[in-house]
Amino acid sequence: AQTVTQSQPEMSVQEAETVTLSCTYDTSENNYYLFWYKQPPSRQMILVIRQEAYKQQNATENRFSVNFQKAAKSFSLKISDSQLGDTAMYFCAFMNLAPHPSSGDKLTFGTGTRLAVRP
Amino acid sequence: AAGVIQSPRHLIKEKRETATLKCYPIPRHDTVYWYQQGPGQDPQFLISFYEKMQSDKGSIPDRFSAQQFSDYHSELNMSSLELGDSALYFCASTSGYEQYFGPGTRLTVT
Repeated sequence: AQTVTQSQPEMSVQEAETVTLSCTYDTSENNYYLFWYKQPPSRQMILVIRQEAYKQQNATENRFSVNFQKAAKSFSLKISDSQLGDTAMYFCAFMNLAPHPSSGDKLTFGTGTRLAVRP
Repeated sequence: AAGVIQSPRHLIKEKRETATLKCYPIPRHDTVYWYQQGPGQDPQFLISFYEKMQSDKGSIPDRFSAQQFSDYHSELNMSSLELGDSALYFCASTSGYEQYFGPGTRLTVT
């Protein structure tokens, strides 16, 4: 079974500054995806970024980027130029790859990091 | 762009009652997942369907059942409700590896 660990329950950052959220995972699998989801006060789960384990290049989506260290099983999220709208709970999630793309690969979530962006 | 639709958005039931939650996936998505998020917790996988067949099962109580219909919408049926079933229930859909979540159904059991 896979486990996902987020060791920072809460973090705070000044608006326009950069913040890094940590995530480590444990798996014996070699082919998997990693995700960061954002859950604002509305409780909607919003996909922020994904990383394929077979790719060495770190994923980037606008102000969001990851530092994927496969050997260390580490997957951190960097948010640049933090905005007030980034205030949310952030969940790191693991998904094992099945032989078929749509054969029911569930997400395993970490316990989340609550990020507050200060004005 | 079309998103995942869940209904109802809020539901209040008493102990021992039944509840049915509905999920309408994004068009052309063939896989649906159900997750349960308790207060202050991370989402926990319940069950999933691919092409109308159950594809995986997580920590879903025997009191719960689910199915996916020919139009790919899914329903989660919950019977003999307990106080501990109070949670946010998410449905997510995909046609590949990225799961897109609906807004959730907030179930309160009193």
